[in-house]
Amino acid sequence: QKEVEQNSGPLSVPEGAIASLNCTYSDRVSQSFFWYRQYSGKSPELIMSIYSNGDKEDGRFTAQLNKASQYVSLLIRDSQPSDSATYLCAVSGGGFKTIFGAGTRLFVKA
Amino acid sequence: EAGVAQSPRYKIIEKRQSVAFWCNPISGHATLYWYQQILGQGPKLLIQFQNNGVVDDSQLPKDRFSAERLKGVDSTLKIQPAKLEDSAVYLCASSLGSSDDEQYFGPGTRLTVT
Repeated sequence: QKEVEQNSGPLSVPEGAIASLNCTYSDRVSQSFFWYRQYSGKSPELIMSIYSNGDKEDGRFTAQLNKASQYVSLLIRDSQPSDSATYLCAVSGGGFKTIFGAGTRLFVKA
Repeated sequence: EAGVAQSPRYKIIEKRQSVAFWCNPISGHATLYWYQQILGQGPKLLIQFQNNGVVDDSQLPKDRFSAERLKGVDSTLKIQPAKLEDSAVYLCASSLGSSDDEQYFGPGTRLTVT
């Protein structure tokens, strides 16, 4: 059974701090990794994709991938109250369907 | 560029009734996905189409759920008969190519079965 694990949270950080969200996955053949943000009552919104080991930066967001450790993370710098949402990790590739984690709830305190 | 469109946005039905959801993907996207998201959980893939063909329907309860994608564009997901446990948000997403590509979600349909 392929799995994607995330800490459900809530993760609470003060405004301006760095929020670190983590995700582990079980299938070593996974090739594509995605982070989505989901506000309450809304649909998931793509933040970043990452396909290679290392870091990928986009504005205040940095995704980190370590395939050897089967670990992908998302860092949010200078966190804002508007970043308060559930963050979903998704994994796919290697011939199998996309699997989402249950998400981590992030709360940024003003 | 227009996003993924879904309708209806909300639906309330009684158990054993039937319901259908419609999705129009982003223009040019070959792959279309239907997900079920139960409150507090991540989306679960029900069925994935690439153009007209089904790529994965391993988690689709085929005794009550059906889906089609005619002409490789719009898609319809049907539930007949509905059960209480089908209460969820049904999300449609599309991607340019395979599931290795970024997926973009529609607004979803919130289904309540009473």
